[in-house]
Amino acid sequence: RKEVEQDPGPFNVPEGATVAFNCTYSNSASQSFFWYRQDCRKEPKLLMSVYSSGNEDGRFTAQLNRASQYISLLIRDSKLSDSATYLCVVIPEAWDFGNEKLTFGTGTRLTIIP
Amino acid sequence: NAGVTQTPKFQVLKTGQSMTLQCAQDMNHEYMSWYRQDPGMGLRLIHYSVGAGITDQGEVPNGYNVSRSTTEDFPLRLLLAAPSQTSVYFCASSSGQRSNEQFFGPGTRLTVL
Repeated sequence: RKEVEQDPGPFNVPEGATVAFNCTYSNSASQSFFWYRQDCRKEPKLLMSVYSSGNEDGRFTAQLNRASQYISLLIRDSKLSDSATYLCVVIPEAWDFGNEKLTFGTGTRLTIIP
Repeated sequence: NAGVTQTPKFQVLKTGQSMTLQCAQDMNHEYMSWYRQDPGMGLRLIHYSVGAGITDQGEVPNGYNVSRSTTEDFPLRLLLAAPSQTSVYFCASSSGQRSNEQFFGPGTRLTVL
């Protein structure tokens, strides 16, 4: 089983719809979780961190389910500009300086259709 | 601030050639890293550094060397280029503290023929 798994998609969603996708992780001791966004042929950029209590930023909501070992990203009222690949990032061990081990998922491709 | 810069943006090499990918950051970040991104594989860590003079191997270090003589610069050297090293290479930096954001450079698209 991969350390971090994502449905590669593509998810083709009409503008204005709500879309959600998950990312599962295998290491139950994983400490920190993030969603990054990557536009076509560009570098990844941090979208949001995922806290145990959940995290909401405008139209975006991230949730963590430790019991089932997955994180989710929900996008409401989707815009054309949301079209991108969304990367799940997990830090599988305690974040010690010198022990940086970010694990990236392969990404979920989202296309918003006018 | 320029953030993280990488040069070149594109490069074509022949098998057996060597080259250096440049990476620089102006945010005074201690932690810098190199990743490669291949279709269906996600980003994989090649080498990383937690400060000037300190480097360590990541998940896929073979065929690559790094050095960190200054806080700002973290070059990646390909010793004997092979077609398997055809990829997109990203340099990233962060302050190194837990949950801090990774800032990525724009990437270098490398093709080895």
